[in-house]
Amino acid sequence: KAGVTQTPRYLIKTRGQQVTLSCSPISGHRSVSWYQQTPGQGLQFLFEYFSETQRNKGNFPGRFSGRQFSNSRSEMNVSTLELGDSALYLCASSSGRTVNTEAFFGQGTRLTVV
Amino acid sequence: AQSVTQLDSQVPVFEEAPVELRCNYSSSVSVYLFWYVQYPNQGLQLLLKYLSGSTLVKGINGFEAEFNKSQTSFHLRKPSVHISDTAEYFCAVVAGGTSYGKLTFGQGTILTVHP
Repeated sequence: KAGVTQTPRYLIKTRGQQVTLSCSPISGHRSVSWYQQTPGQGLQFLFEYFSETQRNKGNFPGRFSGRQFSNSRSEMNVSTLELGDSALYLCASSSGRTVNTEAFFGQGTRLTVV
Repeated sequence: AQSVTQLDSQVPVFEEAPVELRCNYSSSVSVYLFWYVQYPNQGLQLLLKYLSGSTLVKGINGFEAEFNKSQTSFHLRKPSVHISDTAEYFCAVVAGGTSYGKLTFGQGTILTVHP
């Protein structure tokens, strides 16, 4: 059974640009969550999608957005990049049917903003 | 809202010694508790979880944790560590109700196992 796949693994962008990250969940999983990991703030929840609908949202500015497709693959977009957006972005998938389902994480996308 | 405090940012220990990584949480509702491990340049891997029932939970790689509701703690233990256990460990909670995929993480504890 294939795991959670995030692409690309590494990205370098310039301040002011926008970026799109992709996450393919485990087959059959309908929930995809996104997290930002930085040395200063740790792991912070961005948002969660279930069956193409945003079900939960963290405290991030509107520059951070996401979507989920009918095949459960998800993308997150960050517009007008700032230096502080440099981080490891992790995606997690789960069946999403109950609150206690295990979340499986991808290896992350390392975004560097210069 | 929930919060998680990992009391030690770094824990050095010698190989084959026991280790305890401490985690306290606060929440106004019931929670589910998790421990994850992260190796360098990797994602997170679930070590164990407490959902209900027995307060002593056993996980992978010989780790176990005990849920203590009165002290709002969920400390992770291993009786004998190996060099390969060197990694960063995260305690996390999910609130009961409608939080589903929203994990709240602690700041992490870096475990370094010395030969």
